[in-house]
Amino acid sequence: KQEVTQIPAALSVPEGENLVLNCSFTDSAIYNLQWFRQDPGKGLTSLLLIQSSQREQTSGRLNASLDKSSGRSTLYIAASQPGDSATYLCAVNFGGNKLVFGAGTILRVKS
Amino acid sequence: DVKVTQSSRYLVKRTGEKVFLECVQDMDHENMFWYRQDPGLGLRLIYFSYDVKMKEKGDIPEGYSVSREKKERFSLILESASTNQTSMYLCASNAGDADTQYFGPGTRLTVL
Repeated sequence: KQEVTQIPAALSVPEGENLVLNCSFTDSAIYNLQWFRQDPGKGLTSLLLIQSSQREQTSGRLNASLDKSSGRSTLYIAASQPGDSATYLCAVNFGGNKLVFGAGTILRVKS
Repeated sequence: DVKVTQSSRYLVKRTGEKVFLECVQDMDHENMFWYRQDPGLGLRLIYFSYDVKMKEKGDIPEGYSVSREKKERFSLILESASTNQTSMYLCASNAGDADTQYFGPGTRLTVL
């Protein structure tokens, strides 16, 4: 069964800290991987999309990496801010344009 | 910017009612999706559509049906709502397999 796991489930850091969120998946034959942000009670906002042929993608303070051989992706957030507090979701497209989601990491950045 | 809108943010229905959740996207996307999100279970795919009048079951289609009569609109139908269908429902769309999925704001449905 194709599964996506995110560690840690929750994370609390002081403002300004650099942090890493982890995502692992069971099948290395992926099509692409997306990182999303979700604020409480809201929909999902796409942060980064990494195609299977890519190793990383960057957007502002965010950098996502992909290592298919080990079944892992990381989301790096530089110089965290209180506004970064949200749930971060990793989703893998194993093919057929259907995403399998991890359970998410709840991030709290304290001012 | 891509915009995906959902007809209601909050909805309260009675057990046994027929419920329609509407989703509209404005980017001429081929593909549209319905997910539900529950604490501890995450997001799960209910149905998706890759073209007008075309649909495919996701992981949890039981108790739901869908309709896509126009490219921009994808409806989720609960034929006879039950309390276990109380959930957050999220619609998404994309242009193709290699593309980002764009999500709507969600509809929080409560079935009493």
